[in-house]
Amino acid sequence: DTGVSQDPRHKITKRGQNVTFRCDPISEHNRLYWYRQTLGQGPEFLTYFQNEAQLEKSRLLSDRFSAERPKGSFSTLEIQRTEQGDSAMYLCASSPVGGRSHRYTFGSGTRLTVV
Amino acid sequence: DQQVKQNSPSLSVQEGRISILNCDYTNSMFDYFLWYKKYPAEGPTFLISISSIKDKNEDGRFTVFLNKSAKHLSLHIVPSQPGDSAVYFCAASVYNFNKFYFGSGTKLNVKP
Repeated sequence: DTGVSQDPRHKITKRGQNVTFRCDPISEHNRLYWYRQTLGQGPEFLTYFQNEAQLEKSRLLSDRFSAERPKGSFSTLEIQRTEQGDSAMYLCASSPVGGRSHRYTFGSGTRLTVV
Repeated sequence: DQQVKQNSPSLSVQEGRISILNCDYTNSMFDYFLWYKKYPAEGPTFLISISSIKDKNEDGRFTVFLNKSAKHLSLHIVPSQPGDSAVYFCAASVYNFNKFYFGSGTKLNVKP
């Protein structure tokens, strides 16, 4: 069990550019989540996958955001035409299905800075 | 709308004493609650949970209390240790656990 890995750890981009983040969950975990955390706030839900199916999306996830989880393994989160308000920590988490599905394992996050 | 609130941004406690972290929620549909602990440069880690059918859950030095009528939960750490110094988030969900609503966190500092 190597935990949840996120890449990159940090990303600085110019406003208007596209960025893509990757998350590798714990291999036995069927559920994968993306959250966003801004300074002084707790994580906010963005989207949730069970296997390869994206089952729920927050209204925070504008049409500039897209997430995929091909083959139910790793996931990517893409932000198109980045804005300064997108600057945040993007956290990925995974959990098993069943009785322990509430026990998320979070990655260390990708910190995005839009300049 | 902030459905889960932690009104104390910080708390300082002497080593060996009790730390009490508080959390309030507004949505009566929430039926599962968790506490996460976060160190700098790391993701949050699961600490302890409680379902709405209980009013108390203990795990070693950590106890979570739930008062459904007041829509309030608290985390007690006894005795507090310097290694407990971290940011603590409470979170709430409906039972499917598809998403959690997090509070804004309380930074605990345990002084040696």
